[in-house]
Amino acid sequence: QSVLTQPPSVSGAPGQRVTISCTGSSSNIGADYDVHWYQQLPGTAPKLLIYGNNNRPSGVPDRFSGSKSGASASLAITGLQAEDEADYYCQSYDNSLSGHYVFGAGTKVTVL
Amino acid sequence: EVQLLESGGGLVQPGGSLRLSCAASGFTFSNFAMSWVRQAPGKGLEWVSTITGSGGSTYYADSVKGRFTISRDNSKKTLYLQMNSLGADDTAVYYCAKGRGATVTKLYFDYWGQETLVTVSS
Repeated sequence: QSVLTQPPSVSGAPGQRVTISCTGSSSNIGADYDVHWYQQLPGTAPKLLIYGNNNRPSGVPDRFSGSKSGASASLAITGLQAEDEADYYCQSYDNSLSGHYVFGAGTKVTVL
Repeated sequence: EVQLLESGGGLVQPGGSLRLSCAASGFTFSNFAMSWVRQAPGKGLEWVSTITGSGGSTYYADSVKGRFTISRDNSKKTLYLQMNSLGADDTAVYYCAKGRGATVTKLYFDYWGQETLVTVSS
């Protein structure tokens, strides 16, 4: 069971907006640690999508945006495209005894 | 261009050992923390271990603490993961990842290698 909770799947039609939630606790997101997001296309390595809650690395389309509030964070994809079909993971730091860096279990985005 | 090339994966019997390597290029290797992240078949990402740029500090997930050792050779621009007492739960693809972030608590993984597969089975 992951420390960060994500919905297993979300779906949307091309052009729609979808959001993926990432819910943590007082030892990670709620402790004001940054949230980062990764996209994993089928059969490939993860790729950094959002860092520091809401920053896009160079080359990432502005259709992707991140936000954080309290012990939760969200990734939004606007203008959904077929190429966005992938698994998405949130990641943060956790100050509990059990570990340092934690990932969500991942959310599969399906483009209908 | 940042490149991370893992090697060393393979089939190993339960209780056995394996050493993974990750050759880095395209950036000043010694300036950045490096990490290993793994993904069991059909599962999500799991952070395994991180080492600071100087190699002076190391961090481990509870699931591997005492069995795995992360190290680096900055002169060779290479990251290592020595894995001992391997069990079926260690079966996964292993990624090396370049770290970025001003502090340990802000660390994220901005570049990832292509993976190396570790299979623990008799």
